[in-house]
Order: sequence, then C-alpha cells, then structure tokens
Amino acid sequence: SQQGEEDPQALSIQEGENATMNCSYKTSINNLQWYRQNSGRGLVHLILIRSNEREKHSGRLRVTLDTSKKSSSLLITASRAADTASYFCATITQGGSEKLVFGKGTKLTVNP
Amino acid sequence: DSGVTQTPKHLITATGQRVTLRCSPRSGDLSVYWYQQSLDQGLQFLIQYYNGEERAKGNILERFSAQQFPDLHSELNLSSLELGDSALYFCASSVGPAGNTGELFFGEGSRLTVL
Repeated sequence: SQQGEEDPQALSIQEGENATMNCSYKTSINNLQWYRQNSGRGLVHLILIRSNEREKHSGRLRVTLDTSKKSSSLLITASRAADTASYFCATITQGGSEKLVFGKGTKLTVNP
Repeated sequence: DSGVTQTPKHLITATGQRVTLRCSPRSGDLSVYWYQQSLDQGLQFLIQYYNGEERAKGNILERFSAQQFPDLHSELNLSSLELGDSALYFCASSVGPAGNTGELFFGEGSRLTVL
C-alpha cells in the first residue's frame, strides 16, 4: 500500500521554469525523503527532511514539510532538460517501522 | 554509481519457473532492501534485512523468499513465476536501519520478464 501520494502525476515545463511537486501522506512520520529516478534506472536520493524540520535546501532543490497537513513539496528552481525524471517521496512511519514506503511518483518533463 | 550491484540486469523466463536475483550492498552497509517496481503498482516494498536478520516485511508473496548471507549480500528467490511477476526488482542498501539513517542507495535493478 502507498503511504505517500505525489501530485501531479505528470508535469511538463520549459527549461528555466520552476517545478513544484507535492506529496501527501497518511500517518505520522519520522522523516520524509525525495528520490529521483531516470527512466528505467535506480533511484537516487535527493534530500531528507525530518519531522521537526519545516524547510530544507540543497542546491536548486527546496523541500518543505507541513506535518499538520501531512504534506510535503519539492521545488526545483531554474529547471534544466537534465532534470527530466520521475520524482518520488518516501516516508518512514513513526512507531519503529523499518519500511521506507514510496509514492507512485511525479513524472517531470523539462522541454529545452 | 551507487556502489550497489545487482545481477542479472535482465532475465527472461517462462511461467512456472524459478529465478534468483542477487544483490551486493555498498561496502559497509548492513541493511538490504528489496523493492518491486511495475507500471501499475509503483514501487512496492518487499522485505528488509539488517546484518543477516529480517527486519521488516512488506507485500511479499509467499512464492517469493529472500535472505541475507554472512558476507551481507542478499538473494531474492522468485518461484512459480506468473506473468504478473514481470517487473523491475531493485535492491537498496543503507548503513543502518532506514529509520535511523534515512538515505537508501539503490542498484540499477534486475528486469524480469515472464513469458
């Protein structure tokens, strides 16, 4: 079963524009992570935000977390064609679970 | 390169057969995770091992089994294969349990096609 649900399912933008992807989850979490997957390749970790953090930056990435709304967003600024990929949020639920559960992802296409 | 090695990269087999997928984690990582990715189900967590012991179980079918060996490599065995088992199977590793360390390092996957 999915814990996180990304929105939108697909997003198409032009190079230089910003891309925003959202993730909603159902139960309380320890942390939330974002991963990127190029077509048919392995997932690559982008950023982790803990439940007591509200915002985190890494290069052109900005992640926010709103635990009251059980949601997170990933913003990619000044997008490039090389950012074309699927982006997944993943959560670990509170309570000692070791499962890192992924959403179904947002497929981002950045057009040159 | 994540440092996680999966073999084989591609596998084509027939229904009813059995296959074994192999994973070597990053040097120093004690946790190994298996995920199944198909178009309709997304990325499904199957099972996790930490230092040879099973730590968490997801939606793993009874026809599937896994283990982690003393040298920390892991194998995922899929038996009585069905068409619906066709998918990309990922192995990932981390230093410790996911709840403590967070980041997982993924291999490039084993693409299984069942005909």
